[in-house]
Formats: sequence, C-alpha cells, structure tokens
Amino acid sequence: AQTVTQSQPEMSVQEAETVTLSCTYDTSESDYYLFWYKQPPSRQMILVIRQEAYKQQNATENRFSVNFQKAAKSFSLKISDSQLGDAAMYFCAYTPGWLESNFGNEKLTFGTGTRLTIIP
Amino acid sequence: DSGVTQTPKHLITATGQRVTLRCSPRSGDLSVYWYQQSLDQGLQFLIQYYNGEERAKGNILERFSAQQFPDLHSELNLSSLELGDSALYFCASGESSYNSPLHFGNGTRLTVT
Repeated sequence: AQTVTQSQPEMSVQEAETVTLSCTYDTSESDYYLFWYKQPPSRQMILVIRQEAYKQQNATENRFSVNFQKAAKSFSLKISDSQLGDAAMYFCAYTPGWLESNFGNEKLTFGTGTRLTIIP
Repeated sequence: DSGVTQTPKHLITATGQRVTLRCSPRSGDLSVYWYQQSLDQGLQFLIQYYNGEERAKGNILERFSAQQFPDLHSELNLSSLELGDSALYFCASGESSYNSPLHFGNGTRLTVT
C-alpha cells in the first residue's frame, strides 16, 4: 500500500521569505501523480500543484514549485515570497497513474499535513 | 468554485442517530469519492463510485454506506452515530479519464453530541 509522510506538523515563515515543506512517499509503482493541496481556514481543499512521476522536470505554478526526487521518493513544496494568504494546512497526496489505477481510480492518499503560519 | 456541491454544510446530531450527506459532482464527472477528515488529521478515503457502481473501498465502517444515483449525485449514509464520527466529510468528483484531477466540495461538518 502507498503511504505519504509529512514529518513537519507545523512550520512558520516571515512574510516575503521562502519556505519549504517536506513530503516523502512509499510506492512500488513507477507511474503515479503527486499533489500538494492547500486547506485554508475556510476548509476548502485547493489544488496547489501537481507532478507526474514520469516527468523529470519539476512542476512550477507561480510562487509555488516542487523538488521531485523520484529515487529518494521525496516531493517537497517551495513557496517563494510568502504571503499572508498562504497561511493554511498543506497536504501532500499521491495517486497511482492511469494504468496502475485500473483505468480511472484517482483515489488520493494524503499525508497528515503541515500547518503553515505566515509571520507579518 | 470547484463545481462540486455538498449539503448540508453543518450537521449536529446525537449519538445513535442516522444522517445522510449529499454530494452533486461537477458537471461531466462520473466518479464520486468520499473522504473523512477528523480533527487536524489528513483525509481518509472512504469509498468511490463510478457511474453508479462502487469502484473502490477504503476505511469505511460497516455503519456507513453510500450510493450514486442515475443523475450521478451521491449520498453518504452514516448510522448508529458515535462521538468519534464527528469529522469533516468531503466529497470529490473526477472524470476518471487520463490525467484528470479531482475536484473537492467544501465539505460537511458533522458534530455528534
């Protein structure tokens, strides 16, 4: 079974600084997707960024980027120029690829989350 | 707005009771997933339906059941409720096609007293 581990229950960063959230995962599959979701106090689950395992290039979405190390099974999220609106719980998640998932089971396995606080 | 609608937003009930949570998926999505999020925890997968049929099962208790109707909306039924069932219940929908992401609703907050 796949597992996702987030070893940092809480992190804080000064506004405008950069912070990196860690995530490791365990899988025997070669094709999969990794995600970072943000859950602000409004409790919505908001997709921040997605990485496909077969792509070596790290995904980037504006101020958010990932460091994907497939051999190490590591998937960290870097937030640059942190803003007050970035304060939230951040969840790392895994889902098997198209073939591995039996053609359409996009079930996500989540880590336990990292609570990010932005210090003004 | 994700396009996934969950009702009600909040539900308060007593132990031993039964409740039904409802989810309308995003237009065009055939799959519905239910997740449970207990206080300050990650999301635990409960069950998936695809076009009306159960597709995958996770850590769903026998006291819980779900179904997906012909119009693709889904209901999660929770019975013989216990204090520990208090949680945020999320519904997510997906196309179940290659490279399609999941879209989450805003959740239903269930409080069992």
